[in-house]
Amino acid sequence: NAGVTQTPKFQVLKTGQSMTLQCAQDMNHNSMYWYRQDPGMGLRLIYYSASEGTTDKGEVPNGYNVSRLNKREFSLRLESAAPSQTSVYFCASSDGQGRSYNSPLHFGNGTRLTVT
Amino acid sequence: GNSVTQMEGPVTLSEEAFLTINCTYTATGYPSLFWYVQYPGEGLQLLLKATKADDKGSNKGFEATYRKETTSFHLEKGSVQVSDSAVYFCALSDGGTSGSRLTFGEGTQLTVNP
Repeated sequence: NAGVTQTPKFQVLKTGQSMTLQCAQDMNHNSMYWYRQDPGMGLRLIYYSASEGTTDKGEVPNGYNVSRLNKREFSLRLESAAPSQTSVYFCASSDGQGRSYNSPLHFGNGTRLTVT
Repeated sequence: GNSVTQMEGPVTLSEEAFLTINCTYTATGYPSLFWYVQYPGEGLQLLLKATKADDKGSNKGFEATYRKETTSFHLEKGSVQVSDSAVYFCALSDGGTSGSRLTFGEGTQLTVNP
């Protein structure tokens, strides 16, 4: 059982370039999330999708866009990369919807992005 | 807004030592509380959780008790092993209606030496 799969694992971009981070889950989860992890700051929510067809901003959405392509897939796009977006990006999914806010998150293994 | 504060790391212990990682939180309402663990090169995994005051979560020898009066959820283990070396994150859910949105602490790096 693959769980949450993220691609690519590593990426180096130049300032101003664009790219899309891909995420897919095979657990039939309703909710999906994108977090970034920076040293000393824990994980911060970029965007989330509570259910197929909906997306909402998290704590740090500026510079990013997302697409919930279907129930399985949730992509994160950087339109014009900046050095401040150098980070490790994690996709996660959960069964949580409505009042099921206790459902644990299942994380992918991350994408390490460097913007020069 | 919600926030989670963890004790600063890194923490270095010898095998079989007692572990405590402090976690305190600020939240409105009645959040659920979680500990996640991240092993090198991997994503986070749920370690344990507690959903209401005085609940104790436990897993793999780790325990944490939801203390509403002190707004704390400290992680403990009586005898750590080298394999427990990882980064530990305390987190809370916002209890809203939009899925399991979590607020994370900064993470505490634990290294256990043989």
